[in-house]
Amino acid sequence: KQEVTQIPAALSVPEGENLVLNCSFTDSAIYNLQWFRQDPGKGLTSLLLIQSSQREQTSGRLNASLDKSSGRSTLYIAASQPGDSATYLCAPWSSGSARQLTFGSGTQLTVLP
Amino acid sequence: NAGVTQTPKFQVLKTGQSMTLQCAQDMNHEYMSWYRQDPGMGLRLIHYSVGAGITDQGEVPNGYNVSRSTTEDFPLRLLSAAPSQTSVYFCASSYLGANYGYTFGSGTRLTVV
Repeated sequence: KQEVTQIPAALSVPEGENLVLNCSFTDSAIYNLQWFRQDPGKGLTSLLLIQSSQREQTSGRLNASLDKSSGRSTLYIAASQPGDSATYLCAPWSSGSARQLTFGSGTQLTVLP
Repeated sequence: NAGVTQTPKFQVLKTGQSMTLQCAQDMNHEYMSWYRQDPGMGLRLIHYSVGAGITDQGEVPNGYNVSRSTTEDFPLRLLSAAPSQTSVYFCASSYLGANYGYTFGSGTRLTVV
């Protein structure tokens, strides 16, 4: 069964710092991997999708890398802003028709002004 | 586009009552799914569908029923609500191809007393 671990569980930084959020998963036979953010009491907002054949994906100040063989993905956030405060979730997709997303507990990020 | 719309946003049920959580998407996505989110357990897949008339069970299907009569709608039925079903429920949809990520609804917060 796929298990996902995200480190750190919580992070509090001053505005402007570059951040690294880590995600590890136990089953490397994944289809894709997607990063989300979740604001308190809200739904999940998709940030980046990395297909299994890709090694990284970029969107604005966000860059995500994927190393399937080692079961790791990393989300880099450049020049953090208070609006980046949220919980960040990585979710590898299982192969097969279920296309199940497996979630860890996430990294709760607070960016201080 | 409205994306994925879930109704209601909040609901309180008594043990033993039944109800239907609604999910509708206007993106012509083939794939739709239901997740529940519980503290310390992440999001877990309940049921999913790869197209109209096709549904299948996910990780935690007991106590829930689904049907998919149209591409747009994927309702989740609680047959006889139990306190263990207190949770936040999210509907998610996507195209079936590998190039497309999931879109989540804003969730339904359900309390069973």
